[in-house]
Amino acid sequence: GEDVEQSLFLSVREGDSSVINCTYTDSSSTYLYWYKQEPGAGLQLLTYIFSNMDMKQDQRLTVLLNKKDKHLSLRIADTQTGDSAIYFCAERETSYDKVIFGPGTSLSVIP
Amino acid sequence: GAGVSQSPSNKVTEKGKDVELRCDPISGHTALYWYRQSLGQGLEFLIYFQGNSAPDKSGLPSDRFSAERTGGSVSTLTIQRTQQEDSAVYLCASSPGGLAEETQYFGPGTRLLVL
Repeated sequence: GEDVEQSLFLSVREGDSSVINCTYTDSSSTYLYWYKQEPGAGLQLLTYIFSNMDMKQDQRLTVLLNKKDKHLSLRIADTQTGDSAIYFCAERETSYDKVIFGPGTSLSVIP
Repeated sequence: GAGVSQSPSNKVTEKGKDVELRCDPISGHTALYWYRQSLGQGLEFLIYFQGNSAPDKSGLPSDRFSAERTGGSVSTLTIQRTQQEDSAVYLCASSPGGLAEETQYFGPGTRLLVL
């Protein structure tokens, strides 16, 4: 069945770049997402990428997709303390399928 | 405008009791999703409603779980004969048309503790 995996923890210093990695198993995945969950807050969609794209950039965020290896990454440039949160990778085959989330990566930013 | 709301925000119940969790999606959103987030776990998909179509129940963990959506708006997730492993945060989300490229707007969740 479908599975999405992430490392559970990442710690970086303020001002450095953060790279959060994700792997998925479903080769039919069409949509790949990154969600952010801040302490005590709901999930917020950060960005998504279609499977026919290799890269998507949005301000400090860069998403890289290696479809061959089924590997997705989220790079946050100039990481700030406000970026401390749990980041979830998720995938969906089509609009008619459920969204499969990974376990989340807890990002800690050290001042 | 108002976001997705859920009630109650917290629920403590005894093992074996039934509980009902409510979700009010954003007005006009046709798609509604229920997820479960357990301590140290990711989000586990439970059920998905899209318009008047039959819901995708493939994620419901057992027949003790059921959900309905009345009038295409408010949804209720019911857990019968609760077990301690049902303790989790239950999250509801809605999106305008259910399309994959749409943002899912999440509610604050209901924290369920089964003693």
